[in-house]
Amino acid sequence: DAGVIQSPRHEVTEMGQEVTLRCKPISGHDYLFWYRQTMMRGLELLIYFNNNVPIDDSGMPEDRFSAKMPNASFSTLKIQPSEPRDSAVYFCASSFAGLETQYFGPGTRLLVL
Amino acid sequence: GDSVTQMEGPVTLSEEAFLTINCTYTATGYPSLFWYVQYPGEGLQLLLKATKADDKGSNKGFEATYRKETTSFHLEKGSVQVSDSAVYFCALSGPGGTYKYIFGTGTRLKVLA
Repeated sequence: DAGVIQSPRHEVTEMGQEVTLRCKPISGHDYLFWYRQTMMRGLELLIYFNNNVPIDDSGMPEDRFSAKMPNASFSTLKIQPSEPRDSAVYFCASSFAGLETQYFGPGTRLLVL
Repeated sequence: GDSVTQMEGPVTLSEEAFLTINCTYTATGYPSLFWYVQYPGEGLQLLLKATKADDKGSNKGFEATYRKETTSFHLEKGSVQVSDSAVYFCALSGPGGTYKYIFGTGTRLKVLA
């Protein structure tokens, strides 16, 4: 199995631009999680989906952030407009409910100038 | 609400030294407990887990026992190697019957040759 796939691995953009991060979960997994990691705040859960439906988006910092999961094999996290304080590593993880264990992707390192 | 507290790092050890990283938790129910490891520039990988009281998780020489009476899940290894240098995260899952994780802040381990 290829594991969780994220793209791009690195993104550098300018303040005000739209940023889209992509995630392909492990086939057969029915939960998908988006996290953000920074030195100051550690690892934060932003949103998670079950069977493509958003279950809890209470961690989404503000309306500039949105996430979708149009099908079982693809999810996006969009930031519009981006700000320098959004600079972080964004991780996607997936799990199969019965086993609980989450499998993480390699992350997207975002730098907003 | 549910929470996880890890010892502050960084922890610096010589090769072959004994390792303990403390983790305590607060939970209203009976969560599963996890240790994840993050190597530089990579995503988190599951190291070990325990799903009920008195369970011992083990992997790659690391061990942790789910202690309900002390609400702890301390990570131990008898003899660390340089290759164990990484950040270690304690986590619990299942608050409120969900599959969300609550992560600790992470403990950075550096092993010197």
